[in-house]
Amino acid sequence: EIVMTQSPVTLSVSPGERATLSCRASQSVSTNLAWFQQKRGQAPRLLIYGASTRATGIPDRFSGSGSGTEFTLTISSLQSEDFAVYYCQQYNNWPPRRTFGQGTKVEVK
Amino acid sequence: EVQLLESGGGLVQPGGSLRLSCAASGFTVSSTYMSWVRQAPGKGLEWVSIIHSGGSTYYADSVKGRFTISRDISKNTLYLQMNSLRAEDTAVYYCARDTGVGASEWGQGTLVTVSS
Repeated sequence: EIVMTQSPVTLSVSPGERATLSCRASQSVSTNLAWFQQKRGQAPRLLIYGASTRATGIPDRFSGSGSGTEFTLTISSLQSEDFAVYYCQQYNNWPPRRTFGQGTKVEVK
Repeated sequence: EVQLLESGGGLVQPGGSLRLSCAASGFTVSSTYMSWVRQAPGKGLEWVSIIHSGGSTYYADSVKGRFTISRDISKNTLYLQMNSLRAEDTAVYYCARDTGVGASEWGQGTLVTVSS
């Protein structure tokens, strides 16, 4: 099983500042990596897939990078609606098992 | 517009069974991967199961042998049959359309509580 590890667990950031979230895979997943945002009481929302491609409707302040085992989600200038929990997920092509990281909570500093 | 609507959650005793449903609209469930993902209270997301467009199924080790994912093409509905339920299966269960690059659309979730 591929284990995904996110860091930090909690990130305290002021509105307007940059946030950088990390995700590490226990073995290479190439660029088969997605990022999700989840707000309290809501279903997750896909932000990024293919490690760096923004999903439909996602603002360009969200960007993803990385390949292999190291990945980063960057929010260039945090807006009030961006304070949430973020998860990475690997989607190995075959067999199509998925695993999530444990999440990073982005909170107001 | 893609929509997913889960149902079937509720309170069940340990060792009991429950079947979750996920009614889809705006696409056909047999045309793509479909996943179940769960979230225990106050915890993170846990991938549970996936069904390939060709019908192959895969499970997390934590549910293998107890849960069964299936679909009914005529009803355009995804299912999760859950047997031998344990307290640790208590969670909100989400169905999601997975286009092969991650879960692009999610339902609102249905709560399963396993307790005596």
